[in-house]
Amino acid sequence: GAGVSQSPRYKVAKRGQDVALRCDPISGHVSLFWYQQALGQGPEFLTYFQNEAQLDKSGLPSDRFFAERPEGSVSTLKIQRTQQEDSAVYLCASSSLTTNEQFFGPGTRLTVL
Amino acid sequence: EDQVTQSPEALRLQEGESSSLNCSYTVSGLRGLFWYRQDPGKGPEFLFTLYSAGEEKEKERLKATLTKKESFLHITAPKPEDSATYLCAVGDYKLSFGAGTTVTVRA
Repeated sequence: GAGVSQSPRYKVAKRGQDVALRCDPISGHVSLFWYQQALGQGPEFLTYFQNEAQLDKSGLPSDRFFAERPEGSVSTLKIQRTQQEDSAVYLCASSSLTTNEQFFGPGTRLTVL
Repeated sequence: EDQVTQSPEALRLQEGESSSLNCSYTVSGLRGLFWYRQDPGKGPEFLFTLYSAGEEKEKERLKATLTKKESFLHITAPKPEDSATYLCAVGDYKLSFGAGTTVTVRA
């Protein structure tokens, strides 16, 4: 069956550019999560949606980071005025309401030059 | 704030040499402990969820156990395809991950 998909898989941006990362969750999964993973580290929570409602955005590192899920399915993570410290792998995960097991996508590797 | 520490950072095993990975955690109340496997260039793959001390779960050569302060992932008679980074996390919807243990199994 189809898992979580993310696009693009790789993104190179010049410092100061805006980027948009897309996540397609598993069909029917109500909950959607974004994580940031630095090299050699575990993922760090960014934000959580239940349907279209953003219930927790406590992990977003600055106001340059913005996430949306307007129709309760596909989500976009937007980073404005990218900085070198934003370079990381951005992971999306989804889960159903009946379990809190999160299923991850392959990630988008962002490199800011 | 939830804290997770994994040890060792890296583990090199010979094929068939069983071993254990440790995950120590500090939480205000355990809402779930999760084990994931991550291969290079891929997202974490879900393995197990544990909720209460004494609970155990198994899948092929992997067995996860849980106490009040730590969890162990036991790898029995590993094969080269078990080479990966194993991540431990705690939480409910907001997972706090450890840095992982990178396991390399040599044939």
